Amino acid sequence: EAAVTQSPRNKVAVTGGKVTLSCNQTNNHNNMYWYRQDTGHGLRLIHYSYGAGSTEKGDIPDGYKASRPSQENFSLILELATPSQTSVYFCASGDGGQGRAETLYFGSGTRLTVL
Amino acid sequence: TQTVSQSDAHVTVFEGDSVELRCNYSYGGSIYLSWYIQHHGRGLQFLLKYYSGNPVVQGVNGFEAEFSKSDSSFHLRKASVHWSDSAVYFCAVSYTGYQNFYFGKGTSLTVIP
Repeated sequence: EAAVTQSPRNKVAVTGGKVTLSCNQTNNHNNMYWYRQDTGHGLRLIHYSYGAGSTEKGDIPDGYKASRPSQENFSLILELATPSQTSVYFCASGDGGQGRAETLYFGSGTRLTVL
Repeated sequence: TQTVSQSDAHVTVFEGDSVELRCNYSYGGSIYLSWYIQHHGRGLQFLLKYYSGNPVVQGVNGFEAEFSKSDSSFHLRKASVHWSDSAVYFCAVSYTGYQNFYFGKGTSLTVIP
């Protein structure tokens, strides 16, 4: 069964609207991540978290907020969505820590279209 | 600037051929390298990783990769590909082991049956 689950799978939003992308993991990993994937850019890190209550900015955090209310859940929030945020978003959990090279476990992605 | 480069955007081979997908990174310090595979419409899945020891690492489904410090490379290889290996392959580099993985732009592998 899928250990990292994202919802919704697809979302159409209007410019200026609020969008929340949800992620749930059953891996019991401390680390969680939000990436976006765009053609020609690969994956780019938006926000990440070390555990419940923590959020950190990644490489492209502008226009996004994150929330980690529990070990299992990590949300990405677009307060005022713009067409430039049309993309595929991936959540991942990671088993890193104590100097151990991390393996990431990805969800199936959310395709967001902002009109 | 810490970067990872995958020089080939597309690679096409026939089933049974060998393949090498190239990955080069910048930076000379401690480094962690991984390869991930993405089938169409799916999330990324881990293939293999290197952080120390034997520079040749084995992964799932017959894939292996070799780390070269002198060439700043971590190329992925498979001796005999199957049509189901058709996917996009991403090289990822971290300089801390976690948090900031930098992903290459991906190489799309097409295997012709």
